[in-house]
Amino acid sequence: GIQVEQSPPDLILQEGANSTLRCNFSDSVNNLQWFHQNPWGQLINLFYIPSGTKQNGRLSATTVATERYSLLYISSSQTTDSGVYFCAGNSGNTPLVFGKGTRLSVIA
Amino acid sequence: DAMVIQNPRYQVTQFGKPVTLSCSQTLNHNVMYWYQQKSSQAPKLLFHYYDKDFNNEADTPDNFQSRRPNTSFCFLDIRSPGLGDAAMYLCATQDRVGANSPLHFGNGTRLTVT
Repeated sequence: GIQVEQSPPDLILQEGANSTLRCNFSDSVNNLQWFHQNPWGQLINLFYIPSGTKQNGRLSATTVATERYSLLYISSSQTTDSGVYFCAGNSGNTPLVFGKGTRLSVIA
Repeated sequence: DAMVIQNPRYQVTQFGKPVTLSCSQTLNHNVMYWYQQKSSQAPKLLFHYYDKDFNNEADTPDNFQSRRPNTSFCFLDIRSPGLGDAAMYLCATQDRVGANSPLHFGNGTRLTVT
């Protein structure tokens, strides 16, 4: 099955800083999603982005499907951005495979 | 309005005592998933229902069972919980497996086994 690698595993930012999180896939995917898990454990879907670029406020994501990677950009980070960011993907009619996540801590 | 609802939010059970976790959805999605997530790990898929078709992951222990009596509800039954089953259990829905549609998660049930 598909392997999903995320980097970095951990990231500490000063409030207001920008960051880029990366997700690499071992094979082509036709469904790629980014999630944020808050400190209370709730998983929120940030982007469905199998290709191209999307933006939502201070967050944006870009997927380069031909090169099997996706990037999540966080600009002007806030303490509420803290948590774990997961990417997940799949191909065909298979369930999503999750990466191990990037744990982000934004300090004031 | 919550679209995927899990109850209870926290569940404490005794070692070996059967426990049932519930999930309901208002999205009318065909697919419902159950994930287990342990501390500092990624969610691990246990099984999923595509409509009424049950799909078990190969490494899901027999101790875990699931029921989906109708489109809206799905249950996770742990027949004899062990200490290693303490985890966050997440329910998610999707329009179709592999579809061009996002996954929607509930708030999860955090299970403690004493």
